[in-house]
Amino acid sequence: DVVMTQSPLSLTVTLGQPASISCRSSETLIYRSDGNTYLNWFQQRPGQSPRRLIYKVSNRDSGVPDRFSGSGSGTDFTLRISRVEAEDAGVYYCMQSTNWPQTFGQGTKVEIK
Amino acid sequence: EVQLVDSGGGVVRPGGSLRLSCAASGFTFDDYGMSWVRQVPGKGLEWVSGINWKGDNTSYGDSVKGRFTISRDNAKNSLFLQMNSLRAEDTALYYCVRGGGVWFGDYWGQGSLVTVSS
Repeated sequence: DVVMTQSPLSLTVTLGQPASISCRSSETLIYRSDGNTYLNWFQQRPGQSPRRLIYKVSNRDSGVPDRFSGSGSGTDFTLRISRVEAEDAGVYYCMQSTNWPQTFGQGTKVEIK
Repeated sequence: EVQLVDSGGGVVRPGGSLRLSCAASGFTFDDYGMSWVRQVPGKGLEWVSGINWKGDNTSYGDSVKGRFTISRDNAKNSLFLQMNSLRAEDTALYYCVRGGGVWFGDYWGQGSLVTVSS
């Protein structure tokens, strides 16, 4: 299985400051059939279901604020929040759906101060 | 509005069975593969099983293979997970998720809690 490794596992960010989460995969996530890279980012606020923020590395889902951005290629990926807001507190997961089975990173807990 | 409503969770003894359901609305159900993802309370996410749009191609994680069966009824816009030979380690919140294969996770249900305990 493809192992997804996130860092850091915990992050405390001052309101209005930027935040960055790294995700590394044990294998390339380039899908041979179409050349796309199926790396997703999810946000899970306390007590809520996960919500997808980013798909195919850098595409924001509908309704996701533009302070969230994704980047990367191959095996190294990053989620950035340009200016953290209080509502951004929660756990963030990267997840690959290029290879079977789909696999998630361990999660990064983001706290706001 | 897309909605996925999970149901069927509960408390069951080890070795017992349970059937989870997911009622979908707000989109053309048979245009999408569907999946189940679980989460032990306070822990991370684990993909459990997936099914293609037609229902003739299914896949399972190693931890549930041979014990769980995913199915769907496109006429009733419903997804199911039959869970047999349940173990304590299957205790988790089970989410119905839109997508299977490379397109995954744009909508999630609210989750259905399964507790396996004697």
